[in-house]
Amino acid sequence: QKEVEQDPGPLSVPEGAIVSLNCTYSNSAFQYFMWYRQYSRKGPELLMYTYSSGNKEDGRFTAQVDKSSKYISLFIRDSQPSDSATYLCAMSLGNFNKFYFGSGTKLNVKP
Amino acid sequence: NAGVTQTPKFQVLKTGQSMTLQCAQDMNHNSMYWYRQDPGMGLRLIYYSASEGTTDKGEVPNGYNVSRLNKREFSLRLESAAPSQTSVYFCASRIGQGSHEQYFGPGTRLTVT
Repeated sequence: QKEVEQDPGPLSVPEGAIVSLNCTYSNSAFQYFMWYRQYSRKGPELLMYTYSSGNKEDGRFTAQVDKSSKYISLFIRDSQPSDSATYLCAMSLGNFNKFYFGSGTKLNVKP
Repeated sequence: NAGVTQTPKFQVLKTGQSMTLQCAQDMNHNSMYWYRQDPGMGLRLIYYSASEGTTDKGEVPNGYNVSRLNKREFSLRLESAAPSQTSVYFCASRIGQGSHEQYFGPGTRLTVT
């Protein structure tokens, strides 16, 4: 079993929709939770970062962590065609030496 | 400020050939990483270097070697390429202790025939 599981999609939504992306994990020692966005044929770039449980909001993006359920989510409000990309969740223990990535969910926002 | 650069961008190898993938960063970061990305598998860590002079195995190190040449450069070597090593390879760097953000290069697309 992989340490981090993520639905690969693809997920197709109309412009303006609310998007929910999710990951589950098995290692309860993970403390830091990240979401990366990767455009086609580019390297990933950090979108959001959360420590432990709780919510974090940044503009149209909200990251949620539920450590009791080992479940993290990324919500995108008022989705735009420019949000079309693959979204990868990532997790780390306290030392940040290693990062564990999900397989990525491909999102397509249709105009 | 170029960030993280990788060379080459594309490469085709025959089985058994060797090659070195180069990575350099100009952000004075301490930690550097090599990942491979395959469809449905996400990013998998091959090797990492927490600081200059140290390297450690990641999740999938077999068939690879690394060299942290100096603080800026971290190379990945395939001694005898196999078709299973066909993948997109990403280098990343991180400031170091206490920092969570990794900065990724543009990737190298490698095909082994």
